Amino acid sequence: SQTIHQWPATLVQPVGSPLSLECTVEGTSNPNLYWYRQAAGRGLQLLFYSVGIGQISSEVPQNLSASRPQDRQFILSSKKLLLSDSGFYLCAWSVGLAGLNEQFFGPGTRLTVL
Amino acid sequence: GNSVTQMEGPVTLSEEAFLTINCTYTATGYPSLFWYVQYPGEGLQLLLKATKADDKGSNKGFEATYRKETTSFHLEKGSVQVSDSAVYFCALSEGNTGGFKTIFGAGTRLFVKA
Repeated sequence: SQTIHQWPATLVQPVGSPLSLECTVEGTSNPNLYWYRQAAGRGLQLLFYSVGIGQISSEVPQNLSASRPQDRQFILSSKKLLLSDSGFYLCAWSVGLAGLNEQFFGPGTRLTVL
Repeated sequence: GNSVTQMEGPVTLSEEAFLTINCTYTATGYPSLFWYVQYPGEGLQLLLKATKADDKGSNKGFEATYRKETTSFHLEKGSVQVSDSAVYFCALSEGNTGGFKTIFGAGTRLFVKA
């Protein structure tokens, strides 16, 4: 069966520090991978998605970046965190190109920038 | 572009009350429609889906019917329980050659009182 892991589960970082959040998927090949941010009491904002190794599409210009060094690994990074980067970060995966398939979400990382 | 609009929350109900959460969408093609649920501190999980007009998705007593004529996908449950307290997200997806993205509504928080 497929599983998705995210770590760390919680993170408190000072403003200006770097960030690296990791997401890995097991039990599937060539998934589409996604990073979302959910601010407190708000909906989901798509940050990045990837349809293959090294292929990254950015949805919102900001100080975050994403990389996909392996088929089932997706990393969210920042060189210098801002207060506004606080939120709940969710990784998700799906398969197929047709608009029929659900997305499977990880447990999330709660990031607090102080 | 594609969008999803759902009723603002929070919605507060007593146990065994009838639930309706409204969702309408705009899309250029023929999207698939989804309801996801997010329990406190967790990622999202699929609740139900419908892939074409007049389809009814159902799961755990929840139902939603894909209404193309009114571009709606309202979520209903005949008798809610305290354990249904969560945030509910309506979503749509359309395939495209670059993979596919899911557009999420802002979410509706449901509180069910015993």
